[in-house]
Amino acid sequence: DTGVSQNPRHKITKRGQNVTFRCDPISEHNRLYWYRQTLGQGPEFLTYFQNEAQLEKSRLLSDRFSAERPKGSFSTLEIQRTEQGDSAMYLCASSFQSDFNEKLFFGSGTQLSVL
Amino acid sequence: KQEVTQIPAALSVPEGENLVLNCSFTDSAIYNLQWFRQDPGKGLTSLLLIQSSQREQTSGRLNASLDKSSGRSTLYIAASQPGDSATYLCAVRHSNYQLIWGAGTKLIIKP
Repeated sequence: DTGVSQNPRHKITKRGQNVTFRCDPISEHNRLYWYRQTLGQGPEFLTYFQNEAQLEKSRLLSDRFSAERPKGSFSTLEIQRTEQGDSAMYLCASSFQSDFNEKLFFGSGTQLSVL
Repeated sequence: KQEVTQIPAALSVPEGENLVLNCSFTDSAIYNLQWFRQDPGKGLTSLLLIQSSQREQTSGRLNASLDKSSGRSTLYIAASQPGDSATYLCAVRHSNYQLIWGAGTKLIIKP
């Protein structure tokens, strides 16, 4: 068990380009979360999956954001037509959800800079 | 709407001191409260989880308390060490099952 893995660690892109991030959760974990975090703030919820089903998506998430988790394993987060306001740390977390008292395990994040 | 506040935003103390970090929340309808640690440029590490029916949890030099009625939690760190320097965030699992986060307290332990 190597923990939650996120790739790439850093991404620099020009405004208007599309970017895709990958998250590999801990293998037996059935829940996977995506968060966004800006400097000096706590993480902001984006979306989560239980197995392959996307159960909730933040109302703050525009149509430019999409996430998938095929076969309930790894997940990808895509941002289309990036804007400077998308610059942030994108965090992935996984858990084995048996009740509400789940412990989240976070990856090291992908730092996105939109120029 | 649930809001989580952490005060102070930053704290600097000499090595060896005991210290307390504060977290407050506006809605007592929570399932649990968690404390996390975040090192610069890194993800978060879960430190302690207190269920709504519990009053405190301990792990090594860390002790977290929860008072739902007053909407407060504290994280007590005993005998602080330079390696404790990090940002500490609290998060509550609210009735809609999501985690609501505070902005964190940046802790610096001076050798």
